[in-house]
Amino acid sequence: SAVISQKPSRDICQRGTSLTIQCQVDSQVTMMFWYRQQPGQSLTLIATANQGSEATYESGFVIDKFPISRPNLTFSTLTVSNMSPEDSSIYLCSVEDADTGELFFGEGSRLTVL
Amino acid sequence: AQSVTQLGSHVSVSEGALVLLRCNYSSSVPPYLFWYVQYPNQGLQLLLKYTSAATLVKGINGFEAEFKKSETSFHLTKPSAHMSDAAEYFCAVSVPSGYSTLTFGKGTMLLVSP
Repeated sequence: SAVISQKPSRDICQRGTSLTIQCQVDSQVTMMFWYRQQPGQSLTLIATANQGSEATYESGFVIDKFPISRPNLTFSTLTVSNMSPEDSSIYLCSVEDADTGELFFGEGSRLTVL
Repeated sequence: AQSVTQLGSHVSVSEGALVLLRCNYSSSVPPYLFWYVQYPNQGLQLLLKYTSAATLVKGINGFEAEFKKSETSFHLTKPSAHMSDAAEYFCAVSVPSGYSTLTFGKGTMLLVSP
C-alpha cells in the first residue's frame, strides 16, 4: 500500500487568492490523480498527473483554474486559482498501485473560501 | 459511460443490527465495483472490490457485498453494526481497462446508535 501525505489539511482562503496543495507519496508511482469532493457531493476526478507530461483534465476542469505540477514520481501539486466560494471543497490526491491497480487516497485538503 | 446511484444519503442503525447500504450501477460493459469508507477527517479506504471473480466479495471489518448482474446492484452488508462503523461509505464503478477511471456515488453516511 501507499502512504500519501497532503498539505495543508485545511485552510480558509479569501476570494480571488490562489492556494497550492501538495501531495507526497512514500513510493514511486506512475499515475497520480486529483479529486474534488464538494459538500454533499460525490468525488469528481479533476485531472490525471503523470510525470514528464502535462496533466490530463476531465470535462469541466481547465489548466488555468487548476494548474498541476508533477516534478517527480513521488510528488505533485494542485493549485486552485482565483478562488471563489464555489471552490470550497475537499481536494484529494490519489495514486494507483502499479501491481494491483488499487487506488489509495490522501486524507484530503479541506478548503473554505470566504 | 458508467454511473452509480447510492440510495439514501443517511442510514441509521442500532449497534448490533444489520447494516445494508444500497448501490446500483450503470455500465455499458461488465464493470469493476468498489466500496470505500471515509472516517471523519481521513482519506478514503478500500473496503472491498469486485473484479469479475466471485460474486460475493468479503472485505475488511466484517463487510461483504454481492454483485447481482440481473439487478445491477452491489449492496454492502454487515451482520452486526459496531459504533466504530460510523462513517461515510462510497460505492464506485470502473471499466476493466483501469481502476483509474473510477466513478463514485454520492456517498451514504452510516450512523450507529447505542
